[in-house]
Amino acid sequence: DGGITQSPKYLFRKEGQNVTLSCEQNLNHDAMYWYRQDPGQGLRLIYYSQIVNDFQKGDIAEGYSVSREKKESFPLTVTSAQKNPTAFYLCASSAKGAVHGNTEAFFGQGTRLTVV
Amino acid sequence: AQSVTQLDSQVPVFEEAPVELRCNYSSSVSVYLFWYVQYPNQGLQLLLKYLSGSTLVESINGFEAEFNKSQTSFHLRKPSVHISDTAEYFCAGVSGTYKYIFGTGTRLKVLA
Repeated sequence: DGGITQSPKYLFRKEGQNVTLSCEQNLNHDAMYWYRQDPGQGLRLIYYSQIVNDFQKGDIAEGYSVSREKKESFPLTVTSAQKNPTAFYLCASSAKGAVHGNTEAFFGQGTRLTVV
Repeated sequence: AQSVTQLDSQVPVFEEAPVELRCNYSSSVSVYLFWYVQYPNQGLQLLLKYLSGSTLVESINGFEAEFNKSQTSFHLRKPSVHISDTAEYFCAGVSGTYKYIFGTGTRLKVLA
């Protein structure tokens, strides 16, 4: 089945450590996104990528980094510079972007990161 | 400012009663609008979408939403809710070519 796979589902990190969240899609989508979800704040965009080897900062990129070396993969690294990393992280993809037509975003099941 | 607003953070409703979840969008948001549903500790699932054409769009599980340009609204409705509809619902729009803008979500709690 086509879809987006995020791993791991739960992740614990000690303060001061970097951690990488995995996101893989087999939908052949060009665009991929990372969102952070906190209670009562909805989804906030961290980074997005329109095409391989290209990505742009979203609204809350500080303390995060990404790479897009392959079309199907868009890993997110939460660095020690992120002051409040405990959150639910969602990866999404879309074919080309909504303005091109039938291109809603498809979401993975999320990774819950907890800093201990 | 580019925004999608969901005024109600929580909506309690009794089973089999009708419900309306409100969503308003700013005029700077493109008129491609979506409703997503999220169950606890899961990702978002598309419920329905408006891209163009008929202003009334329907989902397979009885939800519908009406695009109203004059009121910049895209409210979600269901005539009779079930316990299984308990979830968080997000309204979303598009800013620019790729950026999706989400509301803060509405928690629907269906009571027996």
